[in-house]
Amino acid sequence: KAGVTQTPRYLIKTRGQQVTLSCSPISGHRSVSWYQQTPGQGLQFLFEYFSETQRNKGNFPGRFSGRQFSNSRSEMNVSTLELGDSALYLCASSDLIYGYTFGSGTRLTVV
Amino acid sequence: DQQVKQNSPSLSVQEGRISILNCDYTNSMFDYFLWYKKYPAEGPTFLISISSIKDKNEDGRFTVFLNKSAKHLSLHIVPSQPGDSAVYFCAASPDTGNQFYFGTGTSLTVIP
Repeated sequence: KAGVTQTPRYLIKTRGQQVTLSCSPISGHRSVSWYQQTPGQGLQFLFEYFSETQRNKGNFPGRFSGRQFSNSRSEMNVSTLELGDSALYLCASSDLIYGYTFGSGTRLTVV
Repeated sequence: DQQVKQNSPSLSVQEGRISILNCDYTNSMFDYFLWYKKYPAEGPTFLISISSIKDKNEDGRFTVFLNKSAKHLSLHIVPSQPGDSAVYFCAASPDTGNQFYFGTGTSLTVIP
């Protein structure tokens, strides 16, 4: 079956702009989580959605938001981009039994 | 507050030898642990897991050991192969359906 699909793969934005990233989970997976990966920080948890509801939220400012649609697809939005937001953003879907399956990520560069 | 720590950012091992990657955690509520492997430009892929009711889980060349009293787990790769060169993340959760906390990763290089 198809894996987790993240679009776009690469993105360059200017400081102050906003960006929306998309994630399509594995068919049948209702949980979608978002992580930020930066050098030296590992994977930092952003938030998790389950059945269109945010269940968990990490320690990120309110500029980072997300949502999940009825088909389990999820979007993540970052407003008023800062240089420090440059990172690999990973989406992971889960059937809540065996852990996560990650997408390939979206590499965001803020200039 | 980093609840899962991988204190070695990098590790180099000769091909055929054992690779040992370590992970420490602080939250005693963590009950389920996983290791992920990540190649550049790809998302992490699941490697092996262990729950707190066990102290060892083995899958081929990969073995994970859990020491709950020390809040420590380790991943052993025997024998190490050049294709094992990647970044390895450990992750922990209070249960399988909950948020996972990841370590910062250890970059393993297996030298041919």
